[in-house]
Amino acid sequence: DTGVSQDPRHKITKRGQNVTFRCDPISEHNRLYWYRQTLGQGPEFLTYFQNEAQLEKSRLLSDRFSAERPKGSFSTLEIQRTEQGDSAMYLCASSPPSGSSYNEQFFGPGTRLTVL
Amino acid sequence: AQTVTQSQPEMSVQEAETVTLSCTYDTSESDYYLFWYKQPPSRQMILVIRQEAYKQQNATENRFSVNFQKAAKSFSLKISDSQLGDAAMYFCAYRTSFGNEKLTFGTGTRLTIIP
Repeated sequence: DTGVSQDPRHKITKRGQNVTFRCDPISEHNRLYWYRQTLGQGPEFLTYFQNEAQLEKSRLLSDRFSAERPKGSFSTLEIQRTEQGDSAMYLCASSPPSGSSYNEQFFGPGTRLTVL
Repeated sequence: AQTVTQSQPEMSVQEAETVTLSCTYDTSESDYYLFWYKQPPSRQMILVIRQEAYKQQNATENRFSVNFQKAAKSFSLKISDSQLGDAAMYFCAYRTSFGNEKLTFGTGTRLTIIP
């Protein structure tokens, strides 16, 4: 297992377009998180899944944002009608259901979104 | 709501020397977890060290150790024998023990290692 993967790594889009990002967690990790990181800031929580259930959403996740995790495996984050303020690094993380790493979140490399 | 503050935007240290990065947090909870994450340039974030609030003993991981002062709500990271590979952004993060699993991060400290 090579860790959390995210696709694409970079996305450039025009304002108003829709974009979708994918995250593949470490296999057997039942918990999955999305964060957004803007330049010079720490990551900010967006949403959290346990298996296929979306258990929490941040107020940062406006109506234009939607996340899914069908079948409790990979997850997608869609942004509709992108705005320049959506430009950021979108990070995905996963964590296992039990064991010594229970409280650790393993991060992917991120998807850098640029909205022109 | 919990907040995490890192007051040092940038730090530098000579190779092989020791450096301490500061972090303070605000919470009304008594049980929680604290973390230091490292984010190298253009690479993914990795966990450096973790501390459970109910443990009085400070966590250590090889050259990395923390000074956890629960009453003062302080959680500093000490890096001993600094190496060039330690150059990165370091983020302090907080997580409650119950329910909500999100990490709350500070704004980070950029650490430069001087050869």
